[in-house]
Amino acid sequence: ETGVTQSPTHLIKTRGQQVTLRCSSQSGHNTVSWYQQALGQGPQFIFQYYREEENGRGNFPPRFSGLQFPNYSSELNVNALELDDSALYLCASSLGSGRRYEQYFGPGTRLTVT
Amino acid sequence: GQQLNQSPQSMFIQEGEDVSMNCTSSSIFNTWLWYKQDPGEGPVLLIALYKAGELTSNGRLTAQFGITRKDSFLNISASIPSDVGIYFCAGQFVDTGNQFYFGTGTSLTVIP
Repeated sequence: ETGVTQSPTHLIKTRGQQVTLRCSSQSGHNTVSWYQQALGQGPQFIFQYYREEENGRGNFPPRFSGLQFPNYSSELNVNALELDDSALYLCASSLGSGRRYEQYFGPGTRLTVT
Repeated sequence: GQQLNQSPQSMFIQEGEDVSMNCTSSSIFNTWLWYKQDPGEGPVLLIALYKAGELTSNGRLTAQFGITRKDSFLNISASIPSDVGIYFCAGQFVDTGNQFYFGTGTSLTVIP
């Protein structure tokens, strides 16, 4: 069974640029959630995708957007990067959406905005 | 975003000692999860709790879903050096469906 994978591992971007992060869900999982983790903090929920539709969103501006593909992999796109966007971006997959579906995390993508 | 209050913020203990940490919320939760995160890696799920009063073990780890549904506890018995890391609680409110809120983390250091 393959776990959650994310790419790239590290990324450096300049303020104002755009970035795309990728996530492959664990085998058999149809739901992907994205989180932002600033240094020394717990992960903050960005949004969730279930069956290719956005299924819940945290307190993040519209310049954070996403996609889920038919194979359940997902992308996180961030436009007009700001310095505060520097963080570890985590993807978590689950068998479904809802309280009984535990989320399993990938290793994350470390984004640095200069 | 909302964060849970997790304590203590950090712990330094001797190998072999037991560890206790807790997480509290101002609102009622219907699910509690406990994760461990090593530096530069994603969180790893340790224990999931779904019912008030539920007590669940995973090896040397035991977690409980508080009766008030506003708190949860994690205990680690007979700590070993590989227990080092940051422990996070995560929970779902009754009304937020799929969104998990994370605690601020407890950093555990085990001294051999």
